[in-house]
Amino acid sequence: GAVVSQHPSRVICKSGTSVKIECRSLDFQATTMFWYRQFPKQSLMLMATSNEGSKATYEQGVEKDKFLINHASLTLSTLTVTSAHPEDSSFYICSARDRGWAPSGYGYTFGSGTRLTVV
Amino acid sequence: AQTVTQSQPEMSVQEAETVTLSCTYDTSENNYYLFWYKQPPSRQMILVIRQEAYKQQNATENRFSVNFQKAAKSFSLKISDSQLGDTAMYFCAFMKLRVGAGNMLTFGGGTRLMVKP
Repeated sequence: GAVVSQHPSRVICKSGTSVKIECRSLDFQATTMFWYRQFPKQSLMLMATSNEGSKATYEQGVEKDKFLINHASLTLSTLTVTSAHPEDSSFYICSARDRGWAPSGYGYTFGSGTRLTVV
Repeated sequence: AQTVTQSQPEMSVQEAETVTLSCTYDTSENNYYLFWYKQPPSRQMILVIRQEAYKQQNATENRFSVNFQKAAKSFSLKISDSQLGDTAMYFCAFMKLRVGAGNMLTFGGGTRLMVKP
């Protein structure tokens, strides 16, 4: 089945530094990538939607200059948390939709998530 | 905007018993999809079951089935013969089906299910 590889799974960084999270679709072309943030014991909150080759669409309240999203190819999307602060500590999950998607239930594939801790 | 509500933050069930997780949603759309996702301790999101709004027949996947009440905007998940491996967070999700809509998922707040031996 479709697989999205997300790296790193865990990262600890110092306050003020930047961290890049990668999501790669391994066996399909991801025309659309969704980036979510999940706080402990809470639901997934959509941060942004990116389409290959175009600018990401950010949800209200998400700082686009802080959370940089690049979707330069059909198999790779990245989320860069710039000038990270402790309040950015969270679990980040990507989800990809493939090019030939019809809502079959197999059209959304989730990465395994990245736990970011900013110290 | 769509909203998805899961009114049960936590539930528990004895192994081999049946449990039902509730989900209600609010939308003005007529064409949409509903999903149940499972998030075990590994935090990997796993699709459990999906339902197309245009289908009257309730979806089933082995031990998992839904009760889809479109007029009531209700979409509950029934897990039969509960197994220890069913212990997880369960999220109900909504997706409107419209050209240019982006087709993103809107998630409910989740229900933490504990299956007890």
